Amino acid sequence: SQKIEQNSEALNIQEGKTATLTCNYTNYSPAYLQWYRQDPGRGPVFLLLIRENEKEKRKERLKVTFDTTLKQSLFHITASQPADSATYLCALDSGAGSYQLTFGKGTKLSVIP
Amino acid sequence: GAGVSQTPSNKVTEKGKYVELRCDPISGHTALYWYRQSLGQGPEFLIYFQGTGAADDSGLPNDRFFAVRPEGSVSTLKIQRTERGDSAVYLCASSLGTSGNEQFFGPGTRLTVL
Repeated sequence: SQKIEQNSEALNIQEGKTATLTCNYTNYSPAYLQWYRQDPGRGPVFLLLIRENEKEKRKERLKVTFDTTLKQSLFHITASQPADSATYLCALDSGAGSYQLTFGKGTKLSVIP
Repeated sequence: GAGVSQTPSNKVTEKGKYVELRCDPISGHTALYWYRQSLGQGPEFLIYFQGTGAADDSGLPNDRFFAVRPEGSVSTLKIQRTERGDSAVYLCASSLGTSGNEQFFGPGTRLTVL
């Protein structure tokens, strides 16, 4: 069955450093992968989408990589700030152009001043 | 601009009761999704609408769960004979309807079944 793993439940990092979050998947051939941010008591907010034929995507301080051979995506936040503290979720489509997203459990990032 | 809205924000009910959860998607979004999120977990897909029809209801856990979208905009998720295990945050999302488009989530309805 399909499975998504995000490297850790929680990650603490010092302000100004680069945070790196990992998303691994098995038994998938996703057409694209998305990253979302979720704050407590709120719904997820879309950050970035990367397609299977793309290696890297950037948006301001965010960078996402997608390695379909390793079945892994890395999500980087450079020059991290306390305001970046949140839970970050990766999500994959179910393949073949499906609209259905399957989410990982998320990684709770805490940026310490 | 208006985002996705969900009502109520909180719902407490007793085991065995019937509940309805409402979702107002972003105007013009043809695709609408329902997810369920338990504490410490990511959202779990329940059902997806394209227009008025349920294009994929494979995530509904059993026949106590049902959703409608009669006019292709507002959707209602209906849960019959609620059980304590149904307690979770129910999230609604909408998108422009093209595969790969970002999904815009509402704030969720926290359902507690006593």
